[in-house]
Amino acid sequence: EAEVAQSPRYKITEKSQAVAFWCDPISGHATLYWYRQILGQGPELLVQFQDESVVDDSQLPKDRFSAERLKGVDSTLKIQPAELGDSAMYLCASSLATPKETQYFGPGTRLLVL
Amino acid sequence: SQQGEEDPQALSIQEGENATMNCSYKTSINNLQWYRQNSGRGLVHLILIRSNEREKHSGRLRVTLDTSKKSSSLLITASRAADTASYFCATETTPYSGGGADGLTFGKGTHLIIQP
Repeated sequence: EAEVAQSPRYKITEKSQAVAFWCDPISGHATLYWYRQILGQGPELLVQFQDESVVDDSQLPKDRFSAERLKGVDSTLKIQPAELGDSAMYLCASSLATPKETQYFGPGTRLLVL
Repeated sequence: SQQGEEDPQALSIQEGENATMNCSYKTSINNLQWYRQNSGRGLVHLILIRSNEREKHSGRLRVTLDTSKKSSSLLITASRAADTASYFCATETTPYSGGGADGLTFGKGTHLIIQP
């Protein structure tokens, strides 16, 4: 069964450093989402792509976060500089273009900022 | 901000018993979905119920939706130890337009523990 791939699975970094997460959606899924999940909370949407275009990045802290999906397939989420409050699970999800109801999630990248 | 709120926050039952979790939300929705998350893992889609549906079944899962009360419930029958996980409701509120933003809004989850 096809799955959403994410790497790395775990990342420890010091504050003020740069970190990057990678996501490879299920083949053929045009829509890609990045969510952040703080421990004990539900996921919160950071950014949504339709192919290579950003559809919604209203909740993305653009002063330090950036996301790209240059060829409309895999995607990278970057944080620079990382802050202590960025410690969380970063989840990537993808869905078919039509319908877009069910989102398939990857295993996530757990980030710890020291 | 989070749209859905699950209740209870934590639930512990004996294996074989039924588990019921509730979700309340604030704004009009297109559909409501339930996801499961095992500790430290990604989310797994369980079931989707549309705003014009009242009840839906999938295996041991039964979901109800009451749009007048802006609430939903998830029932897991004949629980198993493997059902131990966190369960989240998620809502999609944007009208489907084929290209619009439709990121899900999740609640804080119910942590379910099945005692063997």
